[in-house]
Amino acid sequence: GENVEQHPSTLSVQEGDSAVIKCTYSDSASNYFPWYKQELGKGPQLIIDIRSNVGEKKDQRIAVTLNKTAKHFSLHITETQPEDSAVYFCAASSARQLTFGSGTQLTVLP
Amino acid sequence: SAVISQKPSRDICQRGTSLTIQCQVDSQVTMMFWYRQQPGQSLTLIATANQGSEATYESGFVIDKFPISRPNLTFSTLTVSNMSPEDSSIYLCSVVWGAEGTEAFFGQGTRLTVV
Repeated sequence: GENVEQHPSTLSVQEGDSAVIKCTYSDSASNYFPWYKQELGKGPQLIIDIRSNVGEKKDQRIAVTLNKTAKHFSLHITETQPEDSAVYFCAASSARQLTFGSGTQLTVLP
Repeated sequence: SAVISQKPSRDICQRGTSLTIQCQVDSQVTMMFWYRQQPGQSLTLIATANQGSEATYESGFVIDKFPISRPNLTFSTLTVSNMSPEDSSIYLCSVVWGAEGTEAFFGQGTRLTVV
């Protein structure tokens, strides 16, 4: 089955700096890669996704890149704000089944 | 996107008892999913619930422990049976959406503590 590894497990940045979270996947059949943000006491919220036929996607301050050859994808958050502090999960989808990474606790320091 | 409501949002239960979690979606969906998120951990799929058929369970999860009902296209329940402290987790309901049926949306979760 699919295996998704996510790094780092924790990340602290100063407000205004950029944050990068990286994931690798094992199943070359995976074709959909979403990112979720989970705030304390809430369910995961889809923030951005990318499909295997696209190399990069951007939505305001967040962007995702995908390298199919290397089987890795990354989340980039620019101009971080305190409200970006949360746990972020990557996931890979093969045959509509999602496999999640282990999560990254992002802390944005004011 | 779909709006998903889960009840209860949290509960504290005695070991040996059972808890039923409800999930209501504001639109009709073919498949509903139940996940477990143990403290500080990632999400693990428990089972997939299709309306009108038996739920499909992932490895390590069995129907006797986690019976699921799916009476219609907008509602599902997950029961955690004969609970032990190891069942303390967040349980999440999810549906998939979008043209390709891959975008997953989650309820707010049910935080279960077993004492």
